[in-house]
Amino acid sequence: AQKVTQAQTEISVVEKEDVTLDCVYETRDTTYYLFWYKQPPSGELVFLIRRNSFDEQNEISGRYSWNFQKSTSSFNFTITASQVVDSAVYFCALSEANSGYSTLTFGKGTMLLVSP
Amino acid sequence: DVKVTQSSRYLVKRTGEKVFLECVQDMDHENMFWYRQDPGLGLRLIYFSYDVKMKEKGDIPEGYSVSREKKERFSLILESASTNQTSMYLCASSSETGGLMETQYFGPGTRLLVL
Repeated sequence: AQKVTQAQTEISVVEKEDVTLDCVYETRDTTYYLFWYKQPPSGELVFLIRRNSFDEQNEISGRYSWNFQKSTSSFNFTITASQVVDSAVYFCALSEANSGYSTLTFGKGTMLLVSP
Repeated sequence: DVKVTQSSRYLVKRTGEKVFLECVQDMDHENMFWYRQDPGLGLRLIYFSYDVKMKEKGDIPEGYSVSREKKERFSLILESASTNQTSMYLCASSSETGGLMETQYFGPGTRLLVL
């Protein structure tokens, strides 16, 4: 069975601080995809990034960056110079084959609170 | 842009009532999903559907059923609502084309309170 662990339940930072959200996964599959989603207070999950198991290059998008390390089964997410609008719950997820179809296994989420 | 809509943002029902949660997507996606989200438990998959009239159980199907009569619409049914089904319900859809790599797109969620 696959598993995604987000050990940090809640993180509080002050605006402009850098913050890293951890994600550790377990899978026996050799081909898999990892995702990060953001859930602002409005409730809708917003897709942020997808990474496949063969691409370990780090990715940067503006203030967001992702560090994928297969050796430690981790896919961590860093926000540089955090802003109040970054306050949200962030979910890491792993795709798996389920009855021949693709489903996602989600971590329990990390709530990020950014105060002014 | 992908658009997934859910019929209600907030819903209050009484124990024993039959409850219908509706989800519609406009991207011609083959796959549709229902999750529930509870504090400390993350998102858990209830049911998913990969085609019209087809359905598969997720991790927590007990107490729920689903219906997919049209490709764009996926309904979650609580046959007899109970207080432990008070939760946030999220619908999602994805294309089947890319298999494991396909991104799921989510609706805004329905907060259901069962009294």
